Amino acid sequence: DQQVKQNSPSLSVQEGRISILNCDYTNSMFDYFLWYKKYPAEGPTFLISISSIKDKNEDGRFTVFLNKSAKHLSLHIVPSQPGDSAVYFCAASGLSSNTGKLIFGQGTTLQVKP
Amino acid sequence: GAGVSQSPRYKVAKRGQDVALRCDPISGHVSLFWYQQALGQGPEFLTYFQNEAQLDKSGLPSDRFFAERPEGSVSTLKIQRTQQEDSAVYLCASSSLISGNSPLHFGNGTRLTVT
Repeated sequence: DQQVKQNSPSLSVQEGRISILNCDYTNSMFDYFLWYKKYPAEGPTFLISISSIKDKNEDGRFTVFLNKSAKHLSLHIVPSQPGDSAVYFCAASGLSSNTGKLIFGQGTTLQVKP
Repeated sequence: GAGVSQSPRYKVAKRGQDVALRCDPISGHVSLFWYQQALGQGPEFLTYFQNEAQLDKSGLPSDRFFAERPEGSVSTLKIQRTQQEDSAVYLCASSSLISGNSPLHFGNGTRLTVT
């Protein structure tokens, strides 16, 4: 049973426009959410996170929004750049308080066209 | 920079062979995780170490999988009698925190292909 879901396998946007990546989760016990970015043949790299006590966190061009009632989070990238083209994973933690174990979604491939 | 280092980057094994995958975490990082990433999927948790103690191995798919971190630094994931379904990228990650919420730092992974 997939506890973290990214229902869009891919997304294509024009350079300079906004990219919106979505993620849904099923377990209300999750209390920390993260977005990772992955280039081919590399490991995931941390992008941005948000605690469940917040509904928004911003870092430069990246903003994560959390809607706890809908069990939904989204990552906004503004403006999108060709170098943002990668696979984006959302992840959640909080089920194992002594480990910080992350549960990942399936990923969304973002293509930013010049 | 001194990130998480994994070796080998690629491993091809014949079905039935044993393999050993190595992870060098960031120096001083207490927490170490192994994840398995199948093609087109997100990483899936395998096991967790806090220093040398393996505190969670709930994600190991079978008793053919074994992980160790004897001195609380380098870790090895061993797969015995490999099967085709073991083909995946194996990712190691480390964190400076013992518990709680913090980002994990991932290595570039070992791509295992079982033929």
